[in-house]
Formats: sequence, C-alpha cells, structure tokens
Amino acid sequence: LAKTTQPISMDSYEGQEVNITCSHNNIATNDYITWYQQFPSQGPRFIIQGYKTKVTNEVASLFIPADRKSSTLSLPRVSLSDTAVYYCLLDRGSTLGRLYFGRGTQLTVWP
Amino acid sequence: NAGVTQTPKFQVLKTGQSMTLQCAQDMNHEYMSWYRQDPGMGLRLIHYSVGAGITDQGEVPNGYNVSRSTTEDFPLRLLSAAPSQTSVYFCATLGTSKNEQFFGPGTRLTVL
Repeated sequence: LAKTTQPISMDSYEGQEVNITCSHNNIATNDYITWYQQFPSQGPRFIIQGYKTKVTNEVASLFIPADRKSSTLSLPRVSLSDTAVYYCLLDRGSTLGRLYFGRGTQLTVWP
Repeated sequence: NAGVTQTPKFQVLKTGQSMTLQCAQDMNHEYMSWYRQDPGMGLRLIHYSVGAGITDQGEVPNGYNVSRSTTEDFPLRLLSAAPSQTSVYFCATLGTSKNEQFFGPGTRLTVL
C-alpha cells in the first residue's frame, strides 16, 4: 500500500484559506489522490479525488502538479466546523477498498 | 437510506471474552471493509470483502475473523479479546464508482 506524508497539524483562523500539502513520491501511474475528513467520534468522510491538474467541488479544491509527487488540498474560507483530521491517500481502484490511512493532518480553526 | 450502520456503539469486554461487531449497509455495495483506529493514529485495515462469500486479510488481521454471507452484512468477530484490541472499529463500504468509501459511525471497544 502506497504511503503519503503530510503535516501532523495546522492552525488557521476563521475566514482564511487553508492549504494542506501531501507528498507521495512513489505514486504509481494508476493511483488516484484522495482526501478524507474525520471529525471526532465519527468515521472518515470522502472530500475529493483527483488524478492530475485541478479538481474542484463544493467543499474543496485539489491541486496536483504535473509530476504528481505531491498534491495540495485547499479549503476556502474555513470555519470552526472545518476543525477535523484530514487524510491524504493514494487509491489504486484495484485495491478494492484497501486504503492506507496515515496519521493525517489535524486542522484546528480558531475564532 | 440508513447507509452504513454499526452496533453496538460502545462495548466493554474482559480479556478472553468473545463478541461480534455488527455492520450492515443498505446501499447494495459489493465491497466492505473493517478498520481499527487507535488514539492519535490513522485507520488500519483488518479484513475486507469484495462480495458475498469472499473475504481477505488486511494489514492487521490477527485475532479477528470475518464472514460475508450476504451483501448487506459484514460482521467482525473477536475470538478471545485482548487489551491490545481496545480501539475504535469502523466498517466501510466502497461505492459503485470505486472512488469513495462510506464509513459507519464506529464501535468503541474497551478490553479490560
């Protein structure tokens, strides 16, 4: 299972844009980059997935450079409710649910 | 739709006891998985299933058994509980687009 590296923690204030970078130097050709969010006492929740360039949905944007060895999750104008752990994963599809969750990034948003 | 449900929400066991954690889904997803999450850690895969009648081991399978007799249910059995199995257990299904896992609310297990 391919692994990723991301910061252990980040702090931000309400209304700011938050960018969480993830390194995946050994990404394989058929790996998709996927981000999950987890609130305390809840299971993780899928946020966004991408293969290359930029992907945007109603929650976040995902920026992936051409070499795909890193990616950046961008959360626009965070609020207190965005305080959570964010996980960056590589999903090969063929792994059929066998995802590797590292320790993730604890994002704390302050008023 | 209820999505993925898990029972019980909380459980306390004594060392050596056995129990079954229940997981059910009503989304007709073929793929289901069990993860455990220890304090301050990410999730680790215990067992997974690609369909009824088919199961396989994940990263940390020792001490756990699974079976998949129906699409809807994927129970996790602890044969002889140990304090090292104190953890939060999450069940998940993989969506039909194969890009999104749906997680249950978790079962918090304490083994004394």
